[in-house]
Amino acid sequence: QQPVQSPQAVILREGEDAVINCSSSKALYSVHWYRQKHGEAPVFLMILLKGGEQKGHDKISASFNEKKQQSSLYLTASQLSYSGTYFCGTLKSNTGNQFYFGTGTSLTVIP
Amino acid sequence: SQTIHQWPATLVQPVGSPLSLECTVEGTSNPNLYWYRQAAGRGLQLLFYSVGIGQISSEVPQNLSASRPQDRQFILSSKKLLLSDSGFYLCAFGRPFDYEQYFGPGTRLTVT
Repeated sequence: QQPVQSPQAVILREGEDAVINCSSSKALYSVHWYRQKHGEAPVFLMILLKGGEQKGHDKISASFNEKKQQSSLYLTASQLSYSGTYFCGTLKSNTGNQFYFGTGTSLTVIP
Repeated sequence: SQTIHQWPATLVQPVGSPLSLECTVEGTSNPNLYWYRQAAGRGLQLLFYSVGIGQISSEVPQNLSASRPQDRQFILSSKKLLLSDSGFYLCAFGRPFDYEQYFGPGTRLTVT
């Protein structure tokens, strides 16, 4: 049930771009992205619903391909504050009951 | 505004001792409630979720249990802790048909 993320870890220099992928073996209703700083609770970034939409949030955007059951998170011109572990989360239905987080991607931005 | 409280923040317990972690939500009614566990350096594992009072669904068979005695109260328990129960426990809530999950500050449990 747990979505698989790739890569597991990435190190970037400030200003570089990164892509984090999330794949599920099950049909999805929605995909969510969260960022977790070390020792803290995850913080919501964005949600993408069925329909192949793409969303953006400052310099972080994401896409959702429901046919392929995949989502990608795009971080452009990365900043030091982007460091953390990124998780995708998936819902199988719109009732919001069964929510599964992905395996996580550790992102480190260095000066 | 909606808030979620979790306590205690940290806990050190010996193997075989009982456990009770509590989570309460304010500012919303009939939330979906979740318990997650995160082992060191690992992802978030869904343990239990609840869509209403007394309604608990378990995702992983283990020595933990959950209860929801009130609409906005969610309790995680164990009769006898194992070393493998160590981890960061997070409670979260979501409004039905609203997909964002709001997380509590977490409880760091160390079983010795």
